[in-house]
Amino acid sequence: NAGVTQTPKFQVLKTGQSMTLQCAQDMNHEYMSWYRQDPGMGLRLIHYSVGAGITDQGEIPNGYNVSRSTTEDFPLRLLSAAPSQTSVYFCASSLSGLSTDTQYFGPGTRLTVL
Amino acid sequence: GNSVTQMEGPVTLSEEAFLTINCTYTATGYPSLFWYVQYPGEGLQLLLKATKADDKGSNKGFEATYRKETTSFHLEKGSVQVSDSAVYFCALSDTGRRALTFGSGTRLQVQP
Repeated sequence: NAGVTQTPKFQVLKTGQSMTLQCAQDMNHEYMSWYRQDPGMGLRLIHYSVGAGITDQGEIPNGYNVSRSTTEDFPLRLLSAAPSQTSVYFCASSLSGLSTDTQYFGPGTRLTVL
Repeated sequence: GNSVTQMEGPVTLSEEAFLTINCTYTATGYPSLFWYVQYPGEGLQLLLKATKADDKGSNKGFEATYRKETTSFHLEKGSVQVSDSAVYFCALSDTGRRALTFGSGTRLQVQP
């Protein structure tokens, strides 16, 4: 049982490049989400999904796209990277998305945009 | 909207000292409250949680009590160890948003 996995661990992009951050979970969780963590701030929600085929915007969705074709996978796409997207990105999952559920976090992807 | 405020760090303590990290929140409805811990270079791990007023969450010697009257969820530990050095995040989850709202984190440094 690997929990929540993320790839890559580190990535450097140039401004304007695109890339996809991968996230997978093997716990059969319905709810998945993406956060970013910036220095001196807590994590902020980018997008989330309550099940396969259903996604919605979080607090800071601009510049990011998501899709959820399977229960296991929830990739995050940067269409045209900007230096402001330099951050650490965390994927999380929980059983059903209820407020009482524990969310399980992946190890993170550290992204630098030059 | 929802918000979480926690004391700024870093907090520097000697081993075996008493720890308190303050956390207060603003939320509509009846949120669940969480403490997550982040060790260097790792993701966040759940430390403890409480899902209703007056509940006490506890784990690994850490405790926090959900106080609705003071909208607080302070983290305490009676005797810290060097291995407790990490960043601690207070967070809430309400039924409407299905997502966590985090505080800014408090870095704890425990010296031998």
